[in-house]
Amino acid sequence: DIQMTQSPSSLSASVGDRVTITCRASQSISTYLNWYQQKPGKAPKLLINAASSLQSGVPSRFSGSGSGTDFTLTISSLQPEDFATYYCQESYSTPGTFGQGSKVETK
Amino acid sequence: QVQLQESGPGLVKPSETLSLTCTVSGGSISNYYWSWIRQPPGKGLEWIGYIYYSGTTNYNPSLKSRVTMSVDTSKNQFSLKLSSVTAADTAVYYCARRRNPGTFISYFDYWGQGTLVTVSS
Repeated sequence: DIQMTQSPSSLSASVGDRVTITCRASQSISTYLNWYQQKPGKAPKLLINAASSLQSGVPSRFSGSGSGTDFTLTISSLQPEDFATYYCQESYSTPGTFGQGSKVETK
Repeated sequence: QVQLQESGPGLVKPSETLSLTCTVSGGSISNYYWSWIRQPPGKGLEWIGYIYYSGTTNYNPSLKSRVTMSVDTSKNQFSLKLSSVTAADTAVYYCARRRNPGTFISYFDYWGQGTLVTVSS
């Protein structure tokens, strides 16, 4: 299986901060990488697919980049509703492994 | 707006079979892939498998020997059975729609709210 490693596992930030989360694949997955946001007690929500394609309705402060093995999710100006856990997921192979998650907490 | 709702027992005994159903509303189950994903308490997400509306399936190799998925297009439902459960199968189980717009491009765009299944005697 392809292993997906996210960093950091958690971070503390303030409203207005620029936040960057990294996801690294154990082998090249081209741009077959999705990002999800999950709030406590809720289902994950798709933010970005194919590494950089913003899902309809997702604020433009969210952006994704990368290809091959290294990917980044950036929140340009953190808003109160963005405090959550973020997961990457590769779609290059079965079983479409998720990263372990990165929790964005209030500083 | 497509909505998904999981249903089934919240408590299953060890060695028994976990059975869940996902009901899709606001859209047809036809022409899409439908998935099950689980999340143990406090942990990350694990893809269990998917089923196409025609019945074609693809399961996570780590669970393949214990998983069976089925679909009922007349009821707009799909189902999961996981046999020989242990405490390690305790998790929130989500159903989700899997979009597959291109080779290798796939993602989960609609999710159910999730249902906690506890394996305990």
